[in-house]
Amino acid sequence: GAVVSQHPSRVICKSGTSVKIECRSLDFQATTMFWYRQFPKQSLMLMATSNEGSKATYEQGVEKDKFLINHASLTLSTLTVTSAHPEDSSFYICSARDPSPSGSGSYEQYFGPGTRLTVT
Amino acid sequence: GDSVTQMEGPVTLSEEAFLTINCTYTATGYPSLFWYVQYPGEGLQLLLKATKADDKGSNKGFEATYRKETTSFHLEKGSVQVSDSAVYFCALQNSGGYQKVTFGIGTKLQVIP
Repeated sequence: GAVVSQHPSRVICKSGTSVKIECRSLDFQATTMFWYRQFPKQSLMLMATSNEGSKATYEQGVEKDKFLINHASLTLSTLTVTSAHPEDSSFYICSARDPSPSGSGSYEQYFGPGTRLTVT
Repeated sequence: GDSVTQMEGPVTLSEEAFLTINCTYTATGYPSLFWYVQYPGEGLQLLLKATKADDKGSNKGFEATYRKETTSFHLEKGSVQVSDSAVYFCALQNSGGYQKVTFGIGTKLQVIP
């Protein structure tokens, strides 16, 4: 099956610094990727939809200037958490959408393993 | 908007017990339905899916049937194992636009020997 990787798997940064998380589709090209955030013991909340070559579409309540998304190639999307604060500590998961629809017409999403961000 | 409601856990079962995790949804159009599993410290893995009404998804002994009339997609397994201990997420994918995925809150399952 399709593989999506994330790097790093864990990162600790100091308050006020920025951190970049990479999401790569390893064996297919993904024009659309998604970024999710998961708080402890809670569900995944969609943060934004990342489209190759264009601006990301952010969900309501997500600060676009704080969570910068760049989808510069068909296999790579990056999420940069700028001026990180302890409340940004979370588990960030990306997914990449299969470019071809399945027989039912839906586009399968493949999820990365997640990145644990801790801001001290 | 789209939403998924699933029973909150944690659910604690003895090994070989029968498992049911309830899931209902609200969506416009004809969504696809999924169950994902998340083991401790890991990302999501697709467990099973169903793309239209009356479809049954199955994998590793788990089953769920897409019930349009009751807008449900309950997860079942006849005999759970300790290795099934994880968090299970019910999710739907809408059929329009970017086909975003909406997740339920997740149900933690703990199977004890």
